Amino acid sequence: DMKVTQMPRYLIKRMGENVLLECGQDMSHETMYWYRQDPGLGLQLIYISYDVDSNSEGDIPKGYRVSRKKREHFSLILDSAKTNQTSVYFCASSLGTGGYAEQFFGPGTRLTVL
Amino acid sequence: GDSVTQTEGLVTVTEGLPVKLNCTYQTTYLTIAFFWYVQYLNEAPQVLLRSSTDNKRTEHQGFHATLHKSSSSFHLQKSSAQLSDSALYYCALSGRMQQGTGSKLSFGKGAKLTVSP
Repeated sequence: DMKVTQMPRYLIKRMGENVLLECGQDMSHETMYWYRQDPGLGLQLIYISYDVDSNSEGDIPKGYRVSRKKREHFSLILDSAKTNQTSVYFCASSLGTGGYAEQFFGPGTRLTVL
Repeated sequence: GDSVTQTEGLVTVTEGLPVKLNCTYQTTYLTIAFFWYVQYLNEAPQVLLRSSTDNKRTEHQGFHATLHKSSSSFHLQKSSAQLSDSALYYCALSGRMQQGTGSKLSFGKGAKLTVSP
């Protein structure tokens, strides 16, 4: 069963705390992504990973970093979270690196920073 | 870079009537493929249509779109909207800066379609 999982699904943090969002996929996809989704702004790309330890900034990387030490696992880290990082975060994966393949999305993590 | 401009905000249509969501793009990248993604309430986005061939109609679940590179467009259409089509729709294009670099997907801002009885 092809699947992208995200943990946790809901998270409440205080400003200044560190946040770790985790994503896994069981399809051996090379490429993985982190997006945030905000009303009126759509899906904004934070980071892309083309394979283990091969990460590139997306359109809004400031305030975020990522880690990919295994192909099936991709983490998003917020060091000292800010209130404007309250959002829904989606992880996705796709086959290959060529860009023809569709992206499979996880269920999302709703993060609230107080 | 890439820029995707699509019908945004709220779109309301009556059940049984046609619906069209516009999508145009600008890019300096090497474009690879074009997509429409649909996101139902409280669910993750999922691909609805994909195309990389100019002037070829692509269909799925009653929706269709044709990539027209001459007008930089990939509009989404359906002849008869159903209540179950109510969702958020995103147009997206996949491109890469140059040969040998990785690709990325650029999304429009999304259109929330509501089909009313």
